Amino acid sequence: AQSVTQPDIHITVSEGASLELRCNYSYGATPYLFWYVQSPGQGLQLLLKYFSGDTLVQGIKGFEAEFKRSQSSFNLRKPSVHWSDAAEYFCAVVVNTGFQKLVFGTGTRLLVSP
Amino acid sequence: DTGVSQNPRHKITKRGQNVTFRCDPISEHNRLYWYRQTLGQGPEFLTYFQNEAQLEKSRLLSDRFSAERPKGSFSTLEIQRTEQGDSAMYLCASSLNDQPQHFGDGTRLSIL
Repeated sequence: AQSVTQPDIHITVSEGASLELRCNYSYGATPYLFWYVQSPGQGLQLLLKYFSGDTLVQGIKGFEAEFKRSQSSFNLRKPSVHWSDAAEYFCAVVVNTGFQKLVFGTGTRLLVSP
Repeated sequence: DTGVSQNPRHKITKRGQNVTFRCDPISEHNRLYWYRQTLGQGPEFLTYFQNEAQLEKSRLLSDRFSAERPKGSFSTLEIQRTEQGDSAMYLCASSLNDQPQHFGDGTRLSIL
């Protein structure tokens, strides 16, 4: 079955340091991949998406992600973290069963230390 | 830019009561989705509408749950005879065809 694994439940990063959040997927075909961010008590905001083409995709708020088929990974990166980036981050894959059903990972909570 | 709107934001009810949530999607979006998110987990798919037609329902959606989207605009999700296990955040999302889904802020349901 299609699935998404986010191995890190929590990550703490110092403000100004770089960030990488890991995501591995299990899907037979070429995946459509997403990263969403969720602040406490809020819905999910789309950061970026990969459908095809260039494997390095740019998103909002200075985030980027790289699709690596050989590693079944779609890791999220940011070169310099800001305190406002503290939130929960979800990786998701589309399972195309005639429509785009999203299957999410369990999320990684990012804490930013001063 | 009017995004996806969900009401109420919070609902507290006693076990056994019925509850109804409303979702107003982005106006031009023809697809509407409901997800459920429990504490410490990612959202899980519940059901999907293309215009007014409900085209798929997850096994998570027991017969106590019903969703409608009359006229292909807003949608309602009703839970009858609520149970403790129904406590969760219920998220609605909408999209235009296969474009990325836009999420609302959710309705948090607490069962006493």
